[in-house]
Amino acid sequence: EIVMTQSPATLSVSPGERATLSCRASQSVSSNLAWYQQKPGQAPRLLIFGASTRATGIPARFSGSGSGTEFTLTISSLQSEDLAVYYCQQYSFWPPWTFGQGTKVEI
Amino acid sequence: QLQLQESGPGLVKPSETLSLTCTVSGSSISRSTYYWGWIRQPPGKGLEWIGNIYYNGSTYNNPSLKSRVTISVDTSKNHFSLKLTSVTAADTAVYYCARLSSNIVNRWGQGTLVTVSS
Repeated sequence: EIVMTQSPATLSVSPGERATLSCRASQSVSSNLAWYQQKPGQAPRLLIFGASTRATGIPARFSGSGSGTEFTLTISSLQSEDLAVYYCQQYSFWPPWTFGQGTKVEI
Repeated sequence: QLQLQESGPGLVKPSETLSLTCTVSGSSISRSTYYWGWIRQPPGKGLEWIGNIYYNGSTYNNPSLKSRVTISVDTSKNHFSLKLTSVTAADTAVYYCARLSSNIVNRWGQGTLVTVSS
């Protein structure tokens, strides 16, 4: 099973600042990496797939990068509505598809 | 507009079987493009993938749940179902049904909380 490790657990960022979230895989997953955003009380939604491709309707301030075992989600200019927990997920080796433990972004 | 709606009991007794159904509207569950899956989230914790099913009935389950999981599909009713046997308090979670395209979850249900308690 591929273990996904996210850091930091919590990130405190002021509005307008850049937020950088990290995700590490226990072995290479190539670019088979997705990011999801989960706002309080809501289901997650897809942000990024293929490590760097934004899903439909996702603002350009969200960007993904990386390949292999190291990945980054960047929010270029944090907005108040970006308060959420962000999860990475690998889909290179399955079953099981595996998620990271999440990074909580605080404003 | 695709919608996925979970339904089932919100309270299950320990050692009994948890049963949930996900009704899909706005898309045929028989489309070969998609898998349909279940993911759960214990209160205050992260996401755990449970399993996926294809319209033809082929399934992939999380080995960590061993043989407790059964996922089935009913194309005539456009829904798929989850059964989890021998539940314990550790199975208390919000259960999400989801649609997967190319192994990516591109649509989630709203989720339903299932509590395991006597």
